[in-house]
Amino acid sequence: AQSVTQLGSHVSVSEGALVLLRCNYSSSVPPYLFWYVQYPNQGLQLLLKYTTGATLVKGINGFEAEFKKSETSFHLTKPSAHMSDAAEYFCAVIFSGGGADGLTFGKGTHLIIQP
Amino acid sequence: DSGVTQTPKHLITATGQRVTLRCSPRSGDLSVYWYQQSLDQGLQFLIQYYNGEERAKGNILERFSAQQFPDLHSELNLSSLELGDSALYFCASSVGIGITTDTQYFGPGTRLTVL
Repeated sequence: AQSVTQLGSHVSVSEGALVLLRCNYSSSVPPYLFWYVQYPNQGLQLLLKYTTGATLVKGINGFEAEFKKSETSFHLTKPSAHMSDAAEYFCAVIFSGGGADGLTFGKGTHLIIQP
Repeated sequence: DSGVTQTPKHLITATGQRVTLRCSPRSGDLSVYWYQQSLDQGLQFLIQYYNGEERAKGNILERFSAQQFPDLHSELNLSSLELGDSALYFCASSVGIGITTDTQYFGPGTRLTVL
């Protein structure tokens, strides 16, 4: 079955340290990939997405992600964490190849930033 | 502020009851998506409407229904409510149909509590 897995329900890093949030998908056909962020008591905001083309995607707030087909991964990184990055992060995919389908989300990773 | 509005913000009701959640998409957006976020199931896609017509269905229960009106606002109707329906319900909107070309903008959500 097609699925999205985020490794680590909670990730804690120090301010200024590298942020790495992991996302793997299972599908025989490469999906379209997204990262969303959810701040407390707010809706979701798109950080970045991969559809086609360059596999390294840059998003907002200094985040980037790399699509690795051989590893079926789309990990999210940021070189230097900021206190304002503390939030819930969701990896999401479209498995159908695009079009009128909704997003399939991972369980989410809560990012904690230590001062 | 994404430009997507949802009312009400909070809703408390009893089992067996029926409620209606409302969503107004961003100006110019023709697609509306509904998602459910619960502790048990995480974030799940429920249904999508495009310009008044149903386009895609996800994990939506038969007790739930939705519609999109000519002015493009959408309503999600939940009936015969059960305790397990307690969740945060998000609406999202996008310009067109294609998730690969469009960004989904999320509203702040409606928190439903079933007692």
